[in-house]
Amino acid sequence: AQSVTQPDIHITVSEGASLELRCNYSYGATPYLFWYVQSPGQGLQLLLKYFSGDTLVQGIKGFEAEFKRSQSSFNLRKPSVHWSDAAEYFCALSGSARQLTFGSGTQLTVLP
Amino acid sequence: GAGVSQSPRYKVAKRGQDVALRCDPISGHVSLFWYQQALGQGPEFLTYFQNEAQLDKSGLPSDRFFAERPEGSVSTLKIQRTQQEDSAVYLCASSLLSGSRGETQYFGPGTRLLVL
Repeated sequence: AQSVTQPDIHITVSEGASLELRCNYSYGATPYLFWYVQSPGQGLQLLLKYFSGDTLVQGIKGFEAEFKRSQSSFNLRKPSVHWSDAAEYFCALSGSARQLTFGSGTQLTVLP
Repeated sequence: GAGVSQSPRYKVAKRGQDVALRCDPISGHVSLFWYQQALGQGPEFLTYFQNEAQLDKSGLPSDRFFAERPEGSVSTLKIQRTQQEDSAVYLCASSLLSGSRGETQYFGPGTRLLVL
């Protein structure tokens, strides 16, 4: 079985502060990992994905994520958050099947 | 070209009513997925098409749920005799090729279904 856990339901940061969103996965082999962002009324937008190779992955909008096999984690980071980053963030895994398995999401609030 | 579109964007149904949700994938995309997103949860897989063939329907919660993609492009998700627990956002996604592991899935805005 495969699963994704996002331990933080809601995170609040001030604009300009750094951000880290946690994601832990369970899968027997090397997974394919994704981070998506969902704004109200919008579809899910892919921020970045990890397949293999370099464990630090760069994405759009200044986001990056680091794959740590020993910790079964794939945390999302951004050095300086903008007000427009307020949204819900989903970590997802692609295991043996084509479909994505998602975590329950982390809602990000950005304070001015 | 345009992204994935879904219609209607919002649907209110009375319990027991049948509903049909439409998905227009990105032109030329071979693979199409349906997901269900309950309030406060992440999306959960329902079914997958490669062209017109429904290759995986393991996520459909009951036999009241039916999906089709007859010409390999537009897809319809039908829910018969809707129940309150069917209230959710239904997301459609498409991908260019066979939908294999790691291939980017492009999501539509979803249809929010409320069953009263």
